[in-house]
Amino acid sequence: EIVLTQSPTTTAASPGEKVTITCLASSSVSNMYWYQQKSGASPKLLIYSTSSLASGVPDRFSGSGSGTSYSLTINTMEAEDAATYYCQQWSSNPPTFGAGTKLELK
Amino acid sequence: EVQLVESGGGLVQPGRSLKLSCLASGFTFSNYGMNWIRQAPGKGLEWVASISSSSSYIYYADTVKGRFTISRDNAKNTLYLQMTSLRSEDTALYYCARQNYGSYRYFDFWGPGTMVTVSS
Repeated sequence: EIVLTQSPTTTAASPGEKVTITCLASSSVSNMYWYQQKSGASPKLLIYSTSSLASGVPDRFSGSGSGTSYSLTINTMEAEDAATYYCQQWSSNPPTFGAGTKLELK
Repeated sequence: EVQLVESGGGLVQPGRSLKLSCLASGFTFSNYGMNWIRQAPGKGLEWVASISSSSSYIYYADTVKGRFTISRDNAKNTLYLQMTSLRSEDTALYYCARQNYGSYRYFDFWGPGTMVTVSS
């Protein structure tokens, strides 16, 4: 099973600030996927195939990476971005998720 | 509009069984692989099981293998999860999630979830 390690576990950002969340895989994966989960809601697809924005996702979000190292970046933090973010791989079974990064508004 | 609505959750005693359902609408259900993913209270996401569009391929997490059975009825646009020998560690919010159509495997739509509590 491929283990995904996210960092930081929690972080806080002021409006306009840049935020980067990293996801390290225990083995090389071909793509990474990112989800946003707001409090009390179900997860929502944010980025697919490492760097493609899902429908309706603002372009302040971006994804990058390859091999065992991937990242999610929010270019300019907005209040509505406060949420928990999860990375996910399915290059091999079983599909696995990172433990999540909680992003708070400072 | 894609909609996934789970039902069937509730309070159940350890060792008992429960069957979850997920009613899909807004897309051609029979074309898509489907999944169950759970989230224990205050915890992260854990994939539980997946089933291909025609039920030809079925996979389970090791934590539920032999106890849970995923199935689907394409005529009824419904996904199921039969859970037996339930344990306290199965307590979670269970999400139904659609798998992306194509070679890249991820979850493009999620339902609101149904809560399963295993307790005596």
